[in-house]
Amino acid sequence: EPEVTQTPSHQVTQMGQEVILRCVPISNHLYFYWYRQILGQKVEFLVSFYNNEISEKSEIFDDQFSVERPDGSNFTLKIRSTKLEDSAMYFCASSEALSGQRAFFGQGTRLTVV
Amino acid sequence: AQSVTQLGSHVSVSEGALVLLRCNYSSSVPPYLFWYVQYPNQGLQLLLKYTSAATLVKGINGFEAEFKKSETSFHLTKPSAHMSDAAEYFCAVSFNQGGKLIFGQGTELSVKP
Repeated sequence: EPEVTQTPSHQVTQMGQEVILRCVPISNHLYFYWYRQILGQKVEFLVSFYNNEISEKSEIFDDQFSVERPDGSNFTLKIRSTKLEDSAMYFCASSEALSGQRAFFGQGTRLTVV
Repeated sequence: AQSVTQLGSHVSVSEGALVLLRCNYSSSVPPYLFWYVQYPNQGLQLLLKYTSAATLVKGINGFEAEFKKSETSFHLTKPSAHMSDAAEYFCAVSFNQGGKLIFGQGTELSVKP
């Protein structure tokens, strides 16, 4: 079965530092997503990305966050100046189509801000 | 506003017993409905999905779910629990407009020997 790959699996960073979380979506997929899961809470949508631009973002996705598809294969989430409350598991997902299609999720990156 | 509610944050069953995990949704447009499973330290794996075909959907590992529009429900069942079913289960919904998934809060399933 095809896989979405995320690196690193665990990242520890100091408050105020920039972090970049990396994802390699499935190669023929067109829609890309980032979700996060704070420990003990539900999985929350952050942003969707299609045709090299953001198609939708949640209120969580403020100016501290940005996404990019720099080289046609990687899909990155950047947090410009991390806060303690950014500590969470971040999941990347991709799908072939916008609605009704299965979203494939990566294994997640656990971000710990200290 | 669209939302998903999973009743019971923790369900415990004995091995061999029926598994029933409840999910209700709120939506003003026809939804696509999904169940995902998350094993410890792993990502989200799709169990099954409803996309307006048959209302009874069969998934992997013996799980199935029935879409009941009148009850706005999409409960997940398995006739006989196995120890390997212990995991966190998430119900999710998406819509034509956006494609994003809206998740319920999750139900942790424990299976006792």
